[in-house]
Amino acid sequence: AQRVTQPEKLLSVFKGAPVELKCNYSYSGSPELFWYVQYSRQRLQLLLRHISRESIKGFTADLNKGETSFHLKKPFAQEEDSAMYYCALSAIAAGNKLTFGGGTRVLVKP
Amino acid sequence: GAVVSQHPSWVICKSGTSVKIECRSLDFQATTMFWYRQFPKQSLMLMATSNEGSKATYEQGVEKDKFLINHASLTLSTLTVTSAHPEDSSFYICSARIDTYNEQFFGPGTRLTVL
Repeated sequence: AQRVTQPEKLLSVFKGAPVELKCNYSYSGSPELFWYVQYSRQRLQLLLRHISRESIKGFTADLNKGETSFHLKKPFAQEEDSAMYYCALSAIAAGNKLTFGGGTRVLVKP
Repeated sequence: GAVVSQHPSWVICKSGTSVKIECRSLDFQATTMFWYRQFPKQSLMLMATSNEGSKATYEQGVEKDKFLINHASLTLSTLTVTSAHPEDSSFYICSARIDTYNEQFFGPGTRLTVL
C-alpha cells in the first residue's frame, strides 16, 4: 500500500525566510512524487514533480529514496506563497492514481 | 490548456434525493478521470477511477451503488450521489488525466450540502 505523510499541518514563516515542507512516503516500488498547491479559493494545481527536476516559483524538491522523502523547499518565502500544499505519490503498479498527504498550510507573514 | 470544469459548483438538496455532478475536460480528451472527496480542513481522498467506456474502479470503503459513476465520452464523467444523506455533504473534486504525461488536471470542485 502507498502512503504519504506530511507531519506539519501548519507552517508560519516571515517573508524572506526559508521554508521547508516535509513529505515522507512509503511504497515498495518506484513511485513518482508530486507537490500540488491550492491557493485560496482556487483549484488544486501541480507545482512540481520529481522527474522534471526543475524549480517552479523558486521551489525545489529532491527525491531521497534512502530516506523515502520528497521535501519541498524555498530559500526566500513570499507572501503569495501562502497556500495549502499537498505532497502526492503515484505508481504505475497502482494504476497511476494519486495518493495525497494530509496537506500543510503555509502562512507567510509580512 | 488542460482545463477541467465541474458543474454545478455548489448544490443543496433534500435528504433522499439524488444529485448528479458533471466533470468535463474542456480542451483535451481523457480516458481516465478521478473522483475525490474532501472534508473540511482535510486532504483529498480518492473515491473512484472513472474509465471511459468501462466500469469505474472504486476505492475500498466507497459504495458503488451509492456513488454512481458514468464516463460516457472522452470528455465527460458524471458522479451521481444517490439517496443523499447529510453525511454525504462534502466537497467533491474531479480530475482528468493526460496519459502521455501522467498528469492530472483538477476541476474547481462541487460543494454538496444535504439537508
